[in-house]
Amino acid sequence: AQSVAQPEDQVNVAEGNPLTVKCTYSVSGNPYLFWYVQYPNRGLQFLLKYITGDNLVKGSYGFEAEFNKSQTSFHLKKPSALVSDSALYFCAVRDGMIKAAGNKLTFGGGTRVLVKP
Amino acid sequence: ETGVTQTPRHLVMGMTNKKSLKCEQHLGHNAMYWYKQSAKKPLELMFVYNFKEQTENNSVPSRFSPECPNSSHLFLHLHTLQPEDSALYLCASSQEGSSYEQYFGPGTRLTVT
Repeated sequence: AQSVAQPEDQVNVAEGNPLTVKCTYSVSGNPYLFWYVQYPNRGLQFLLKYITGDNLVKGSYGFEAEFNKSQTSFHLKKPSALVSDSALYFCAVRDGMIKAAGNKLTFGGGTRVLVKP
Repeated sequence: ETGVTQTPRHLVMGMTNKKSLKCEQHLGHNAMYWYKQSAKKPLELMFVYNFKEQTENNSVPSRFSPECPNSSHLFLHLHTLQPEDSALYLCASSQEGSSYEQYFGPGTRLTVT
């Protein structure tokens, strides 16, 4: 079985300050990890992914995430948050072993980010 | 959002109606998905199609019936729905075997009255 936990329902940060959104996961095999963002009345937009390689991955809009195998975490970060970053963020995981779960993607419950001016 | 399109964007239907949601992906992907997003609930995977073949039915009630006529189009046929089926229905596609990330459409906001 695979699962994702986003421990914070909401994160508040002042504009210009660093932003971190936490994510921990559980899979049987190698994790494929993803971050998505959702703005009101819109679909999910892909931000970045970790499949293999460097633990620090960079994505769209200045976001990055660090894969930490020992802590089974994949926290999303942005050095300087913008008001326009206010949205709902989802972490997702799938098992890299196709036979284990096919291409099923499991999402966390989401974290609402509010960046205040 | 031109990569994956969904129509209609909003739909209100009675419990005895029959309607269909349409999804089209313009990305050349080989897998397509239906998800349900309800308020205060995690995103729920409903159906998965790989190379037009259904490979996942996540215990979805039979009042939801998917159809994938080709690798670019996906439909969700709805009949005799319940008020608790009101939600945002999202379609997604991905290229399995290479990139893996899923690209989502804007969704159809469904209200069952």
